[in-house]
Amino acid sequence: EVQLVESGGDLVQPGGSLRLSCAASGFTVSSNYMSWVRQAPGKGLEWVSIIYKSGSTLYADSMKGRFTISRDNSKNMLYLQMNSLRTEDTAVYYCARIAYTNNWYWGWFDPWGQGTLVTVSS
Amino acid sequence: QSVLTQPPSASGTPGQRVTISCSGSSSNIGINTVSWYQQLPRAAPKVLIYSNNQRPSGVPDRFSGSKSGTSASLAISGLQSEDEADYYCATWDDSLNGWVFGGGTKVTVL
Repeated sequence: EVQLVESGGDLVQPGGSLRLSCAASGFTVSSNYMSWVRQAPGKGLEWVSIIYKSGSTLYADSMKGRFTISRDNSKNMLYLQMNSLRTEDTAVYYCARIAYTNNWYWGWFDPWGQGTLVTVSS
Repeated sequence: QSVLTQPPSASGTPGQRVTISCSGSSSNIGINTVSWYQQLPRAAPKVLIYSNNQRPSGVPDRFSGSKSGTSASLAISGLQSEDEADYYCATWDDSLNGWVFGGGTKVTVL
């Protein structure tokens, strides 16, 4: 079964750091385009980052320079290192695989993990 | 303010047809495909429609998607109580160089 399980969410002070993990099963992370999407409490979905099959990365503007997406091929894991956290980064963070048929940017998010909650507060 | 515009709410009685719109621009919906997601209360999102109008296996054919120009829509026919959820559209934006989501539409079954 194709599955994603996130972990690492916690309460952290503004300016702090946190690393989220996403364990994949049923498929190989390094052979896929993988992404992080977040959802602030009571709000909509917001795309965070993508890591290509090649290892190249892209970020949403508000996360550039603060967040780093990476993967460990030997562990089949996806990560999101978050630094200089702000109160507005409080959200449930989901990892998701990008499924596609032709072009990856015509892809869709499937599956999603169950999410992990990050709370940034003093 | 989301890049893609959806109505915040929609409602219908059981058996009715409900349509949700998603309005974008020439840099996103106008040139890329749209996907739709259903988020049940206290659950992770799940893909309902991909590539504008394709349904993954297991998604009832009551759900259908379409796209025209810079807008897309999701239709739910034969509305059922279990369809009460939040629905989001998404696509790639060439100008922003990233994925964009609609603000979400809460569907209520009256």
